[in-house]
Amino acid sequence: KNEVEQSPQNLTAQEGEFITINCSYSVGISALHWLQQHPGGGIVSLFMLSSGKKKHGRLIATINIQEKHSSLHITASHPRDSAVYICAVRNYGQNFVFGPGTRLSVLP
Amino acid sequence: EPEVTQTPSHQVTQMGQEVILRCVPISNHLYFYWYRQILGQKVEFLVSFYNNEISEKSEIFDDQFSVERPDGSNFTLKIRSTKLEDSAMYFCASSEALVANYGYTFGSGTRLTVV
Repeated sequence: KNEVEQSPQNLTAQEGEFITINCSYSVGISALHWLQQHPGGGIVSLFMLSSGKKKHGRLIATINIQEKHSSLHITASHPRDSAVYICAVRNYGQNFVFGPGTRLSVLP
Repeated sequence: EPEVTQTPSHQVTQMGQEVILRCVPISNHLYFYWYRQILGQKVEFLVSFYNNEISEKSEIFDDQFSVERPDGSNFTLKIRSTKLEDSAMYFCASSEALVANYGYTFGSGTRLTVV
């Protein structure tokens, strides 16, 4: 079974800072998903990656398949980015295994 | 943008009672999923559903649980004889295909509290 770890567990940043959240996994995967969970509990899909890099607005996600590692970057962070960011990985034909999440607080 | 809709947003039930959590997946999606998240813990996979049958289920999804797509639009999770430890946030998700690069769309969740 894939073990998914995230770092840091908690992160506090000042508005405008560049933020990096890391995800590592133990077994090769077919896809990796970055999710955002708001304080109310709802989950929003940010990215689905199987290789390379994706960018959406101020968010950038990268994945290194050989190193079994992915990063989520937030440029020019804003208080509304405060949420829990979850990495989830999937092996071929299987369902997602979720990481423990990184709790981000961006202070004004 | 299409959404996965879950109802109710919060359900409180007495221990031992049956509950039905409802989800309306995105209309052209073919794969449906239930996940749960106990407070303070990771999201966990419960079950996936395709072509009107369960395609995969986790160890958590025992005989207490069942899923159904009764009318071609709703996708329900039934929990029989609820226990205190069933208290959690339950998320429904759907996807267009099983291929790796197809994303999931999650519903906003139903918070189940068993008292």
